[in-house]
Amino acid sequence: DVKVTQSSRYLVKRTGEKVFLECVQDMDHENMFWYRQDPGLGLRLIYFSYDVKMKEKGDIPEGYSVSREKKERFSLILESASTNQTSMYLCASSFVEVNYGYTFGSGTRLTVV
Amino acid sequence: AQSVTQLDSHVSVSEGTPVLLRCNYSSSYSPSLFWYVQHPNKGLQLLLKYTSAATLVKGINGFEAEFKKSETSFHLTKPSAHMSDAAEYFCVVRGSYGQNFVFGPGTRLSVLP
Repeated sequence: DVKVTQSSRYLVKRTGEKVFLECVQDMDHENMFWYRQDPGLGLRLIYFSYDVKMKEKGDIPEGYSVSREKKERFSLILESASTNQTSMYLCASSFVEVNYGYTFGSGTRLTVV
Repeated sequence: AQSVTQLDSHVSVSEGTPVLLRCNYSSSYSPSLFWYVQHPNKGLQLLLKYTSAATLVKGINGFEAEFKKSETSFHLTKPSAHMSDAAEYFCVVRGSYGQNFVFGPGTRLSVLP
């Protein structure tokens, strides 16, 4: 069964900590994406990558960075976590032709205290 | 820029009655449109998609949507609601970065017995 796996379902971190969220896909997809989901706002794009070592800013990249050293893995990094980064984080992947649709992970619910 | 408006944040229907979830889009070019569903504590799943072929699109679980260019709409319908349809539904348009999707704020569907 093809899948996108996010390493943690729930995380609690302290303000100022460096946080790593990991995402792995086994579908040989070229594209990978990080979104955050907040009530009433839907999903907002943080960063995406269309190839190894490539990254592009999405709509809300401030306070985040990403790393893609291997095709199957895309990491989201919160350099210094803040309470306004408390959210559900969703990773997705797709083929270059995105009209086939995205495959999503189950999400990581991050709480920053 | 591409955007999506979901006209209802919450829709409540009785089991066995029709479902209508409304979506309007804005796109500077011929759009690709999708509906995704998110069941509680689950990842997002693709319901159906429109990518410039037939304007009436059939998806999984008996859902369908009709692309109406003159109305810039892509409403989701189902003839008869089932309890298992209770979930959050997102209307999605392909975004201006080319590879990304822009999500609407979501409509929560409740199905009453």
